[in-house]
Amino acid sequence: GQQVKQSSPSLTVQEGGISILNCDYENDMFDYFAWYKKYPDNSPTLLISVRSNVDKREDGRLTVFLNKSGKHFSLHITASQPEDTAVYLCAAANQGGSAKLIFGEGTKLTVSS
Amino acid sequence: AQTIHQWPVAEIKAVGSPLSLGCTIKGKSSPNLYWYWQATGGTLQQLFYSITVGQVESVVQLNLSASRPKDDQFILSTEKLLLSHSGFYLCAWVWGSSYEQYFGPGTRLTVL
Repeated sequence: GQQVKQSSPSLTVQEGGISILNCDYENDMFDYFAWYKKYPDNSPTLLISVRSNVDKREDGRLTVFLNKSGKHFSLHITASQPEDTAVYLCAAANQGGSAKLIFGEGTKLTVSS
Repeated sequence: AQTIHQWPVAEIKAVGSPLSLGCTIKGKSSPNLYWYWQATGGTLQQLFYSITVGQVESVVQLNLSASRPKDDQFILSTEKLLLSHSGFYLCAWVWGSSYEQYFGPGTRLTVL
């Protein structure tokens, strides 16, 4: 089964609004959670990540929220801009897995002006 | 600063022909190296990883093999391509005890 799941294949947000991207996972042993941004025919770029000992991390307009009991993490992008339009991939890994990242299917974010 | 290169940038190959894709990382010694594959419209899947020279672990087979002949080099290959091998191949690295993976620019493979 899909260990890391992004249930929304697409999301449209108005410029200036908050984009909320969601990710659910199955494996209790995951202790690292990351968000990547990907443009078509380009490689993913690491945006922000957290370890399981924190439940929130902020970096500029980006915030990751981790809900371990709910096996859920999310990425919030404030003041969304047209250049935020891309595919966002969530990923998770566990310490014993040689940093084997399991990726979600991706959510296509479109920020409309 | 560390840099990661992949070659070739793109390749068009015939079914049944051999393939060799390369990845080189400069600026970090003894990184963990990974091969990923994404079919068009598909999910990014890890294929192989290597934590040291000469040691490669397979995650998903797909009739491909990988080798790490040098500390800074990771090779993905097959003797006989299938149509299903088409897609985007990415190399990634992790250094030390970090989990943060950084990707190379990728190789677009089209099998006809």
